Amino acid sequence: DAGITQSPRHKVTETGTPVTLRCHQTENHRYMYWYRQDPGHGLRLIHYSYGVKDTDKGEVSDGYSVSRSKTEDFLLTLESATSSQTSVYFCAIRAESNQPQHFGDGTRLSIL
Amino acid sequence: SQQGEEDPQALSIQEGENATMNCSYKTSINNLQWYRQNSGRGLVHLILIRSNEREKHSGRLRVTLDTSKKSSSLLITASRAADTASYFCATALNTGTASKLTFGTGTRLQVTL
Repeated sequence: DAGITQSPRHKVTETGTPVTLRCHQTENHRYMYWYRQDPGHGLRLIHYSYGVKDTDKGEVSDGYSVSRSKTEDFLLTLESATSSQTSVYFCAIRAESNQPQHFGDGTRLSIL
Repeated sequence: SQQGEEDPQALSIQEGENATMNCSYKTSINNLQWYRQNSGRGLVHLILIRSNEREKHSGRLRVTLDTSKKSSSLLITASRAADTASYFCATALNTGTASKLTFGTGTRLQVTL
């Protein structure tokens, strides 16, 4: 299995609080991605990174920010969590073009 | 909006039977990928087929791609109970900065003994 660790694995928090999810990889892959998975929607891309300090928006980026200060870590931040952001969040990594993505085991986030 | 749509949404078969899942998409692609997701886990890559390929095999998996119809199919032969999972197709399109995947909503496969 690809070396991807997501933390925390589960989190319950209240509306309006900031939340940061961490994705850590040991593969030295260039590309990293954050997705959310909701029933009836499959996986949707939030943000992605194509190198240190290089990030871009995905399909559902509103309300989320990311940072990548070193190759191995990609952080996803919800500045002020809302109930609509309750979801399962997956991080993925990829080496180069036309290569598959490898996924972490997800973070289940509940916002009350 | 979702690029890939799987059909059927759910499929129940007996062990030893074949399972076929279909995926349709809307725009041009660089490649199409199939992933499996077991309950409570992340997605696991199964197979990647490039836009200039028509068929690809990997063990008990066979994937076809018809770019003229914008469709793909995944065949799992001689299914096992361990194949019970959700299966997703994902289309890849290279942008200026990275290749991004767009996932369908998945097919839930149940294989019974």
